[in-house]
Amino acid sequence: GENVEQHPSTLSVQEGDSAVIKCTYSDSASNYFPWYKQELGKGPQLIIDIRSNVGEKKDQRIAVTLNKTAKHFSLHITETQPEDSAVYFCAATVDLYFGNEKLTFGTGTRLTIIP
Amino acid sequence: AAGVIQSPRHLIKEKRETATLKCYPIPRHDTVYWYQQGPGQDPQFLISFYEKMQSDKGSIPDRFSAQQFSDYHSELNMSSLELGDSALYFCASSSRGRDRPYEQYFGPGTRLTVT
Repeated sequence: GENVEQHPSTLSVQEGDSAVIKCTYSDSASNYFPWYKQELGKGPQLIIDIRSNVGEKKDQRIAVTLNKTAKHFSLHITETQPEDSAVYFCAATVDLYFGNEKLTFGTGTRLTIIP
Repeated sequence: AAGVIQSPRHLIKEKRETATLKCYPIPRHDTVYWYQQGPGQDPQFLISFYEKMQSDKGSIPDRFSAQQFSDYHSELNMSSLELGDSALYFCASSSRGRDRPYEQYFGPGTRLTVT
């Protein structure tokens, strides 16, 4: 099955600086890569995603890049703010057949923004 | 915008008891997924349903069962509870749109504590 590795496990960034979280996946058939933000006591919130036919996607201060050859993808947060502090999970899914859409998550990155 | 609703939010049970978790997907979403998240861990896929039929199965114990009803809500039934079942249980929903795989939106979770 799919295996997703995520680094770093913790990341502290000065407010206003950029944060980068990296993930690698094992199954070359994976074709959808979402990123979730989870705040304490809440469910994962989808913040951005990328499909295998795209190399980069940006939404305001958040961007995701995908390198299919190297099987890795990254989350970039620019101009970080205190409210960006949370645990971030990357995920991957292999859409081999209809209904097979379970997400395999990375182990998470605890991002702390230092005011 | 309406989100995924889960009930109850907190549940305390004793060993060997049973528990039922409920999930109400986002309106017009027809697919439901269940995930289990242990303390400090990433969410692990349990089971999913599309149009009231089981569509995929993950690491769900035989003591657990689930179903999706005609109004698309889903219930996760857990029997013979063990201490190790203590975790956050998330439900996510998605709809069949243009681009597969489809975005999954998570609910706030049910925190199950087994004593």
